[in-house]
Amino acid sequence: DAGVIQSPRHEVTEMGQEVTLRCKPISGHDYLFWYRQTMMRGLELLIYFNNNVPIDDSGMPEDRFSAKMPNASFSTLKIQPSEPRDSAVYFCASSPRGGQGYTFGSGTRLTVV
Amino acid sequence: GQQLNQSPQSMFIQEGEDVSMNCTSSSIFNTWLWYKQEPGEGPVLLIALYKAGELTSNGRLTAQFGITRKDSFLNISASIPSDVGIYFCAGMNYGGSQGNLIFGKGTKLSVKP
Repeated sequence: DAGVIQSPRHEVTEMGQEVTLRCKPISGHDYLFWYRQTMMRGLELLIYFNNNVPIDDSGMPEDRFSAKMPNASFSTLKIQPSEPRDSAVYFCASSPRGGQGYTFGSGTRLTVV
Repeated sequence: GQQLNQSPQSMFIQEGEDVSMNCTSSSIFNTWLWYKQEPGEGPVLLIALYKAGELTSNGRLTAQFGITRKDSFLNISASIPSDVGIYFCAGMNYGGSQGNLIFGKGTKLSVKP
């Protein structure tokens, strides 16, 4: 199993540009999570999906952030327009069912200049 | 909301020494997890605890789920240089739908050879 796959690994963009982060969860995992990690705030849950349906998006900071999961093997997190304060490492994670530990991807390091 | 207090924030130890870190919460969890994160990678699950009082080992690592369900500790015995990283505790409650993991701020471990 290849694990959770995220792309790109690094993204540098200018303020105001649209950014799209991608995630392929582990096959057979019903839950998918998007986290953001910063020095100040640590790991924060942004949104999670169960069977491709968004369940809790209360962690999404603003309307500039949106996430989709069109099928069981793909999810995107989009920021439009991006701002310097969005600079962080964004992680995708998946888990097979409720109450189980998550498997994280290697993350996307986003820098907005 | 629920918060986790993880301590210490950082540790500098000599190779061969034992390490202990812990997490406390203002409210109860029914699952405790311990993760390790190395530079440039996502957190990797080390130990999962599902029952109050449970003591679980994984090689040189031992973790316990506190009886009150509000705390957990992780011990590393005979530390080696590759133990370097950031260790996160995480608590979760789950019910009809997946709960989400609440992460501590991490304990950064440095090991001197």
